[in-house]
Amino acid sequence: EVRLVESGGGLVQPGGSLRLSCAASGFTFSGYWMHWVRQAPGKGLVWVSRINSDGTNTDYADSVKGRFTISRDNPKNTLYLQMNGLRAEDTAVYYCVRGALYRDDFWGQGSLVAVSS
Amino acid sequence: QSALTQPASVSGSPGQSITISCTGTIDDVGNDNLVSWYQQHPGKAPKVMIYEVNKRPSGISNRFSGSKSGNTASLTISGLQAEDEADYYCCSYAISSTLIFGGGTKLTVL
Repeated sequence: EVRLVESGGGLVQPGGSLRLSCAASGFTFSGYWMHWVRQAPGKGLVWVSRINSDGTNTDYADSVKGRFTISRDNPKNTLYLQMNGLRAEDTAVYYCVRGALYRDDFWGQGSLVAVSS
Repeated sequence: QSALTQPASVSGSPGQSITISCTGTIDDVGNDNLVSWYQQHPGKAPKVMIYEVNKRPSGISNRFSGSKSGNTASLTISGLQAEDEADYYCCSYAISSTLIFGGGTKLTVL
């Protein structure tokens, strides 16, 4: 069974940092591009970042460029999102996504990040 | 990186068909066939219903179909059922090497 389990979310003050993790199982993690997508409370989906299968190529949305870093550890089957300089507008549920836009597209259940003083 | 344009809401009666549009530009929807549609029920993670414009993943009902013309993609749901009531999002790859989602459409089954 394919599983993506996000962790590391929580409450953080503006300007603070947080690292999200996504533990993958049930498939060959190293064979897929992986993405982070977020959804603010009551709002729509917004793509955040992606990383290729071996971790050598990354892309970011303009809104997080320079503040967030995506990475992966293929031997540990884990995807990461390091978030620095957090702002109130970063408050959202963050989803880990396998292979977005392709046949094997699959989403985790999400991790809530709340940025507030 | 502006969001793709979707209607905020659509509605239909059981058994009817509805179509949700998703309008972008030549730099995203109109550039290639990497357009997907997602269904999201309240409190749940999104689920892909259509990928690469008109392909259905295994297990997705053939009541769901996708198409594209120019810079506009469309999702059609035929034979509406109560369980189809959800939010629907389109998503496209863009030439800037990013992904762009639509603003979402709330489908109400009357």
